[in-house]
Amino acid sequence: EPEVTQTPSHQVTQMGQEVILRCVPISNHLYFYWYRQILGQKVEFLVSFYNNEISEKSEIFDDQFSVERPDGSNFTLKIRSTKLEDSAMYFCASSLDARSTEAFFGQGTRLTVV
Amino acid sequence: QKEVEQDPGPLSVPEGAIVSLNCTYSNSAFQYFMWYRQYSRKGPELLMYTYSSGNKEDGRFTAQVDKSSKYISLFIRDSQPSDSATYLCAMTLQTGNQFYFGTGTSLTVIP
Repeated sequence: EPEVTQTPSHQVTQMGQEVILRCVPISNHLYFYWYRQILGQKVEFLVSFYNNEISEKSEIFDDQFSVERPDGSNFTLKIRSTKLEDSAMYFCASSLDARSTEAFFGQGTRLTVV
Repeated sequence: QKEVEQDPGPLSVPEGAIVSLNCTYSNSAFQYFMWYRQYSRKGPELLMYTYSSGNKEDGRFTAQVDKSSKYISLFIRDSQPSDSATYLCAMTLQTGNQFYFGTGTSLTVIP
């Protein structure tokens, strides 16, 4: 069964460092998302990406964040200068296209900023 | 942000029981409603989605949406220990838009 794959599963980084979280969406999917879940809190939307550009972003997705689809299979989230409050589980999701509500989530990357 | 409210539980039921999970929401413009299951330290897994008001059934799972009351439900019949997980409701204004999640309800089914 096709699935969304995220790497690494756990990333520990020092405050102020840059991190790149990687995702391989389901192969025929065209719409991509990043969400995050701080421990004990709701899953929160960060950004959606379609047709090589950001479709929608939340207030959380400030200038420290960027997304990229560097090739035909990967979708990345970069945090330029990590803060302690960026510690969370980051989920990548994909859906078939902009008309689909069936979004499939990856297993997540646990980011710990120390 | 209180767009979507969900009782966090925990909810504990005996095997075979009928489980009712619920969410309320404030934004009447939501049109699509989803239920996700999340096991500990895993990603949310899509269970069901519905459009607008009405019922949808899939095996032991039934999703209900009452837009007039801004209330959605997920019923699990003949609950199994493998159903033990956190259940998240989510909703969106239109396709391609961000999902708004509830806090999740933790469910334990006791053998």
